[in-house]
Amino acid sequence: GQQVMQIPQYQHVQEGEDFTTYCNSSTTLSNIQWYKQRPGGHPVFLIQLVKSGEVKKQKRLTFQFGEAKKNSSLHITATQTTDVGTYFCAAGGATNKLIFGTGTLLAVQP
Amino acid sequence: GAVVSQHPSWVICKSGTSVKIECRSLDFQATTMFWYRQFPKQSLMLMATSNEGSKATYEQGVEKDKFLINHASLTLSTLTVTSAHPEDSSFYICSAPVGAGRNEKLFFGSGTQLSVL
Repeated sequence: GQQVMQIPQYQHVQEGEDFTTYCNSSTTLSNIQWYKQRPGGHPVFLIQLVKSGEVKKQKRLTFQFGEAKKNSSLHITATQTTDVGTYFCAAGGATNKLIFGTGTLLAVQP
Repeated sequence: GAVVSQHPSWVICKSGTSVKIECRSLDFQATTMFWYRQFPKQSLMLMATSNEGSKATYEQGVEKDKFLINHASLTLSTLTVTSAHPEDSSFYICSAPVGAGRNEKLFFGSGTQLSVL
């Protein structure tokens, strides 16, 4: 079945440093979504990318969809302690269900 | 944004009992809801797709007789873990898309932590 892998599994940064998580799918995607899950919380939708090569920004967060629509990345500039959590990509394909990536846990040290 | 309410937040039960988890869309109608299971520090694994007025669609490896799903109305889906055992202990979380298109963004319930003794 479809597999969605994310790297790294875990990242520990000092506050103010940048952070990037990468998402790779075994199949071509119709779209990719990104979610953030705070410790003890539930996933919260961040953004959806649909077009090949698309880049979207939300303040310090930059999301990119690969040209082949099989990979994506999330980059956070100048991390803050509020950025702590697990970031998941979620792959949309031929069906109406989303397959979540393995996630990247971000820890930010003040 | 849309609100999805999930109850209970946590439940402890004895082995062999059944547990029902409710998932409600409070301010929108959801013809489809998704049920996920999450182990500590792991990803969300899709268990099944709940369809209003019809049978749920289960993912490969998920026992439909073990995890009963009922989507009786456009705002309520329930997951019943039947004859629960310790290996069923996990975080169960529901979600619903707003809109009828494909791959709509999901709104999640707050999740249910199930502990089976």
